Amino acid sequence: SQQGEEDPQALSIQEGENATMNCSYKTSINNLQWYRQNSGRGLVHLILIRSNEREKHSGRLRVTLDTSKKSSSLLITASRAADTASYFCATVRIRSSDGLTFGKGTHLIIQP
Amino acid sequence: DTAVSQTPKYLVTQMGNDKSIKCEQNLGHDTMYWYKQDSKKFLKIMFSYNNKELIINETVPNRFSPKSPDKAHLNLHINSLELGDSAVYFCASSLGPLAGEQYFGPGTRLTVT
Repeated sequence: SQQGEEDPQALSIQEGENATMNCSYKTSINNLQWYRQNSGRGLVHLILIRSNEREKHSGRLRVTLDTSKKSSSLLITASRAADTASYFCATVRIRSSDGLTFGKGTHLIIQP
Repeated sequence: DTAVSQTPKYLVTQMGNDKSIKCEQNLGHDTMYWYKQDSKKFLKIMFSYNNKELIINETVPNRFSPKSPDKAHLNLHINSLELGDSAVYFCASSLGPLAGEQYFGPGTRLTVT
């Protein structure tokens, strides 16, 4: 069964605004990762947060993790047109070498 | 230099044919993966190899057979192609099987007619 579920499925905002995407998952995890996919391209790793971490920053990205609610959020501040892409959360289950389990993704459109 | 490369980028073929997709990584990683992304953009892992040994084999038809001649290469061979095999196939690699970050190739768009 699918591990991650992102919401919203699609998000359209104005350039300069902040974009928030959420992800929920079902099983205990070792870590949770966010990836970006530009149209017609492969996935690019953005940030990884471990199960014992609550918040992590990388440039304009801020990720939170709430293991009690089995949820994570990705915040992109001061959005730019180049941020237009699909964003996926992916989990690695605890004590597992099962690889990544992806959610359905959020398609983000930044209007110039 | 391309970290994870796949060939071909596009593959159009008829039902019943056999085709292969090749993947190479120059990152020195031990673990490589194949993922399938369907028309709704849902990504699902298919296989994983660690140092040429199969460690993940999800429920995929046995028409799909991965082959890893060395740890830098993981190829995917598909027999008797079906319409439902149409998808984008991504190769990825990571330092090890329990490592976090994965590096993805550009994808191979397979269209079966």
